[in-house]
Amino acid sequence: AQTVTQSQPEMSVQEAETVTLSCTYDTSESDYYLFWYKQPPSRQMILVIRQEAYKQQNATENRFSVNFQKAAKSFSLKISDSQLGDAAMYFCAYRRSGNQFYFGTGTSLTVIP
Amino acid sequence: EPEVTQTPSHQVTQMGQEVILRCVPISNHLYFYWYRQILGQKVEFLVSFYNNEISEKSEIFDDQFSVERPDGSNFTLKIRSTKLEDSAMYFCASSFQGRGEQFFGPGTRLTVL
Repeated sequence: AQTVTQSQPEMSVQEAETVTLSCTYDTSESDYYLFWYKQPPSRQMILVIRQEAYKQQNATENRFSVNFQKAAKSFSLKISDSQLGDAAMYFCAYRRSGNQFYFGTGTSLTVIP
Repeated sequence: EPEVTQTPSHQVTQMGQEVILRCVPISNHLYFYWYRQILGQKVEFLVSFYNNEISEKSEIFDDQFSVERPDGSNFTLKIRSTKLEDSAMYFCASSFQGRGEQFFGPGTRLTVL
């Protein structure tokens, strides 16, 4: 069974600082995709960043980057220069060859001004 | 920017009643999904739908659940006889490609009394 674990229910970061959100997953597949979604309060989930498992290079999107460790089945999200608008629930998700996503329980990020 | 929309935002129903949750996916998307999130738990996949039929479903999606695309714009989830444990946030999502990014709606909070 595919499982996604986010061990940090809550995190906080000072504005302009860097924070790393952890995610581990369990799979026997070799071809899969990993995602980080952001859900601001009372808003829908939006994609932050995605990583294809066959790519060794870590994905980056502006201030967001991942540390993908395939052997360790780890997929952490680093947010640099944190902004107030980054405050949200962050979900790590896994998808293999089919369509369904497997989500973690989420990490609630607070950005302190 | 096109968005997935869902109605209603909150639905309250009595146990045993039928409910229909409505979603309007992004107009040129071909794949449609339902997920649910019980309070405090992870987001769980329910079903995916493509070409007017179910392409994948989870063990949660039993005979009490059904999906339909009644016209060219709506995608509905019906729960025939609601149970207390059906209380959750239900998210609709759509994607253009089967392996593409899924765009999520804001969710419908279902409360079963």
